Amino acid sequence: GAGVSQSPSNKVTEKGKDVELRCDPISGHTALYWYRQSLGQGLEFLIYFQGNSAPDKSGLPSDRFSAERTGGSVSTLTIQRTQQEDSAVYLCASSLAGAGLYNEQFFGPGTRLTVL
Amino acid sequence: DQQVKQNSPSLSVQEGRISILNCDYTNSMFDYFLWYKKYPAEGPTFLISISSIKDKNEDGRFTVFLNKSAKHLSLHIVPSQPGDSAVYFCAALSGTYKYIFGTGTRLKVLA
Repeated sequence: GAGVSQSPSNKVTEKGKDVELRCDPISGHTALYWYRQSLGQGLEFLIYFQGNSAPDKSGLPSDRFSAERTGGSVSTLTIQRTQQEDSAVYLCASSLAGAGLYNEQFFGPGTRLTVL
Repeated sequence: DQQVKQNSPSLSVQEGRISILNCDYTNSMFDYFLWYKKYPAEGPTFLISISSIKDKNEDGRFTVFLNKSAKHLSLHIVPSQPGDSAVYFCAALSGTYKYIFGTGTRLKVLA
């Protein structure tokens, strides 16, 4: 069956440019997460969407980062004026609801972003 | 401040032997823990979880142990197989939906 998909799989950009990363969650999953994994680091929480509720943006590292989720499905993570420290793998995950024993997160393969 | 720590970045184990991956946490309010497995160029996949009301949860070759007083959990894989070679992340649930991940341990199972 269709899992979580992300595009592009790889993105190389120049410092100062804007980038958009896309996530297609599993159909019917109301919860969607974005994480960042920098080299040698764990997964860093960025943002959480749940249904029509206001997103939890507490993990976004700066105001250059923003995310949207349209129609409760597809999400885009936008990074403006990219910096070299933004280079990382950006992972998206979806689940049936927020968290807990029965609401497993399913991850996409990630987008590897390289800022030159 | 790293609330979930995996102090061993890598581990090598002979095929057939036991692999033990460790994880420490600092917040005693965490009450649900998970282990994820990640292959290169793929997203993490859920492996096993444990609630704080238990001290052990077993699923086939995988067992997770939780020591609340020590704020420590471990994942045991017995017997280890070459296909288990991957990066393993432990994670703790903070609140109702936010997961805090460790930095991962790269396991290599030698044939």
